[in-house]
Amino acid sequence: DAKTTQPTSMDCAEGRAANLPCNHSTISGNEYVYWYRQIHSQGPQYIIHGLKNNETNEMASLIITEDRKSSTLILPHATLRDTAVYYCIVSTYTGANSKLTFGKGITLSVRP
Amino acid sequence: DAMVIQNPRYQVTQFGKPVTLSCSQTLNHNVMYWYQQKSSQAPKLLFHYYDKDFNNEADTPDNFQSRRPNTSFCFLDIRSPGLGDAAMYLCATSITGTSYEQYFGPGTRLTVT
Repeated sequence: DAKTTQPTSMDCAEGRAANLPCNHSTISGNEYVYWYRQIHSQGPQYIIHGLKNNETNEMASLIITEDRKSSTLILPHATLRDTAVYYCIVSTYTGANSKLTFGKGITLSVRP
Repeated sequence: DAMVIQNPRYQVTQFGKPVTLSCSQTLNHNVMYWYQQKSSQAPKLLFHYYDKDFNNEADTPDNFQSRRPNTSFCFLDIRSPGLGDAAMYLCATSITGTSYEQYFGPGTRLTVT
């Protein structure tokens, strides 16, 4: 699986959009971009995934560049409860199962 | 609510004393995973079951074993825990073909004394 690079940490103000970048320059054509987050002392939680097109769900939006070498997770209105470690992962979905290789992630701190 | 359950949430064992961690799920998912997460590190996949087929990661120590007696339950056995095995152990599930996401349990924090 391709590796990802993320900044170590970032912060944003409550109510503002949080834009979390991720580089995955060696991604291959059949690899998806996944985002998970882990709130302190809890298990990781799926947020969103995409292959080529931008995606949006009730939690976030995922913007993938046309060359697919980078992506941005957008939390449109961050709250204090969004403070967590966010993991950007690229993985091949085989149809049988998806193996996730977690990197170091980015720690997002939402300030009041 | 359908969920992934891990018991106990906290487990203390002695150096070298076998320990078993359990995971159950009400999601009826066919794939179950075990991850190890050491302090301040990212989760690391140990192995997974695709239905009854066991798939071990190449760098998972032999000290770690797993059993899946039925769809709902999966166990992680550590035969001779060392101090370096102290970690959070996370169970996750997924279902083939209809969903791309893995559903994680809350984890079991293992302390080795």
